[in-house]
Amino acid sequence: QVQLVQSGAEVKKPGASVKVSCKASGYTFTNYEIHWVRQATGQGLEWMGWVSPNSGNAGYAPKFQGRVTMARNISISTVYMQLSSLGFEDTAVYYCARKGVRGVPLDYWGQGTLVTVSS
Amino acid sequence: EIVLTQSPATLSVSPGEGANLSCRASQTIGSTYLAWYQQKPGQAPRLILYGASARATGIPARFSGSGSGTDFTLSIRSLQSEDFATYYCQQYYSWPRTFGQGTKLEI
Repeated sequence: QVQLVQSGAEVKKPGASVKVSCKASGYTFTNYEIHWVRQATGQGLEWMGWVSPNSGNAGYAPKFQGRVTMARNISISTVYMQLSSLGFEDTAVYYCARKGVRGVPLDYWGQGTLVTVSS
Repeated sequence: EIVLTQSPATLSVSPGEGANLSCRASQTIGSTYLAWYQQKPGQAPRLILYGASARATGIPARFSGSGSGTDFTLSIRSLQSEDFATYYCQQYYSWPRTFGQGTKLEI
């Protein structure tokens, strides 16, 4: 079965960086894009960007451009999202999600990773 | 970027009743690039509908979608207890992808 398993919760200080991983299993890793979405406590969903596990190409929402990097390691079927220059407003649950094929958007999601920015 | 506005913010209904949730886009997104997700507290979102009206795998027939252009609707008939959740629409017509702010469906 398709699974996306994310790394554990993180606590970071303002100005630091965080790297969240998302390990895929149950399907051909290189055939599906991975997208990242975050959600602050009690707030809505915010799309951050995507990465192609096949090519390594990535695209980011303008809000995060210059501060986010999404990459992959094919050998371990894992995608990474690194966010730098963290501020308190980056405290959120970060989700990875698989983009389906034939017009299907985000069909499988990771369990989420809580990133807390605290001094 | 395309802004999606969902209404109402909160909808109070009783089990067995139906519900209509609205999603309006700031510009046209065609008829095939709108999705709906369901999210329960403490859980990841779950894909309900895509292409405005196609049900995702395992989604019961009481969920249906309609609309095109800028106005879309998620309809749920005969609400079950497990349907009470927050619903988000998402457009995947243009970059950046965007979500609506959500509609909370409560008893």
